[in-house]
Amino acid sequence: EPEVTQTPSHQVTQMGQEVILRCVPISNHLYFYWYRQILGQKVEFLVSFYNNEISEKSEIFDDQFSVERPDGSNFTLKIRSTKLEDSAMYFCASSGTGGGNQPQHFGDGTRLSIL
Amino acid sequence: AQSVTQLDSHVSVSEGTPVLLRCNYSSSYSPSLFWYVQHPNKGLQLLLKYTSAATLVKGINGFEAEFKKSETSFHLTKPSAHMSDAAEYFCVVGHSGAGSYQLTFGKGTKLSVIP
Repeated sequence: EPEVTQTPSHQVTQMGQEVILRCVPISNHLYFYWYRQILGQKVEFLVSFYNNEISEKSEIFDDQFSVERPDGSNFTLKIRSTKLEDSAMYFCASSGTGGGNQPQHFGDGTRLSIL
Repeated sequence: AQSVTQLDSHVSVSEGTPVLLRCNYSSSYSPSLFWYVQHPNKGLQLLLKYTSAATLVKGINGFEAEFKKSETSFHLTKPSAHMSDAAEYFCVVGHSGAGSYQLTFGKGTKLSVIP
């Protein structure tokens, strides 16, 4: 079964540094998402992406965050100047359509630790 | 606005006994509802989904959930727990946003299975 793959599995970064989290969505999917799960808290929506642009973003997704689909397969989340509170598990997801009939498929996540 | 309440943060059952994980939702529209499971250090795997077809939904690994509109509930059940079911379970409501489809997660219920 096709999978969403995320790299790296664990990223350790100094505060203030830029970090890029990478995702390869399922190949025929058109909608892409990033979610975040701070330790002990809920999984939270960050951003959705369709047709090479952001469809919707949450309040969490401020100016330090950006997303990009640099080629036909990768989908990246960049955090420009990391803060301690950015430490979390980041999940990428993709779906074939934008509705509920085709659920979102998640990757295994990248654990981001900010020192 | 959409929200999900998982009534138990932790459920412990003996192997071979039934599992009940409770979920109540709030949605302005006819909801799409999902249960996802997260095993340690793994991503979120879809167990089952409800999208306004049959109210009793069967998922993978013997799990099922019943949509009860009058009670705004979507509880997850399994007749007989297996050791491999030990994981965290998330009840999720899906909704269409301004330009995309978003998932709102509950806080999760950690299921422990005692041998």
